Amino acid sequence: AQSVTQPDIHITVSEGASLELRCNYSYGATPYLFWYVQSPGQGLQLLLKYFSGDTLVQGIKGFEAEFKRSQSSFNLRKPSVHWSDAAEYFCAVGVGSSGNQFYFGTGTSLTVIP
Amino acid sequence: EAQVTQNPRYLITVTGKKLTVTCSQNMNHEYMSWYRQDPGLGLRQIYYSMNVEVTDKGDVPEGYKVSRKEKRNFPLILESPSPNQTSLYFCASSLFGQYTGELFFGEGSRLTVL
Repeated sequence: AQSVTQPDIHITVSEGASLELRCNYSYGATPYLFWYVQSPGQGLQLLLKYFSGDTLVQGIKGFEAEFKRSQSSFNLRKPSVHWSDAAEYFCAVGVGSSGNQFYFGTGTSLTVIP
Repeated sequence: EAQVTQNPRYLITVTGKKLTVTCSQNMNHEYMSWYRQDPGLGLRQIYYSMNVEVTDKGDVPEGYKVSRKEKRNFPLILESPSPNQTSLYFCASSLFGQYTGELFFGEGSRLTVL
């Protein structure tokens, strides 16, 4: 069965420090990969996505993610975290013939301390 | 303003009392879907629709029904709610699945079944 694993339930970083959120997936082929962010009381917003091509993808708000096929990973990074980045982050994969079935990780909650 | 609108945002009901959560999008998106978010489980897809009159089961469809009679609307129906359907529900839409764009999420509907 397809699955998405985000091993870190909660991460705390200092403002200005670098950030890496981990995501591993289990799927027979290369799925379509996404990172979403959810601010408190809000819906999810797309940060970035990977379909094919360059394995390092850039997203909004200064985030980037790298797809590593050999590790089945799609880790999210940011060189310098801002207090406004505090939120819940979800990794997701799109599978199926039309990419229309989605599996989300359990999320990583990010706290930013001044 | 482009948006996905869900109603109601909050609802407390009792076991067995039928309810409908409405979802409407104003972006002319073909694809719409429903998710439930539970602590420690992330988001799980309930149903999705590729276009009008085309719906299919996601990962956790039991206890739910949907219909897609118009392109803009995709209501979620709980014919006989049970306490295990207490959850935060999100509706999302996309231009055409995930292959061509991102999922746009509503702000969520928090449902409590007593």
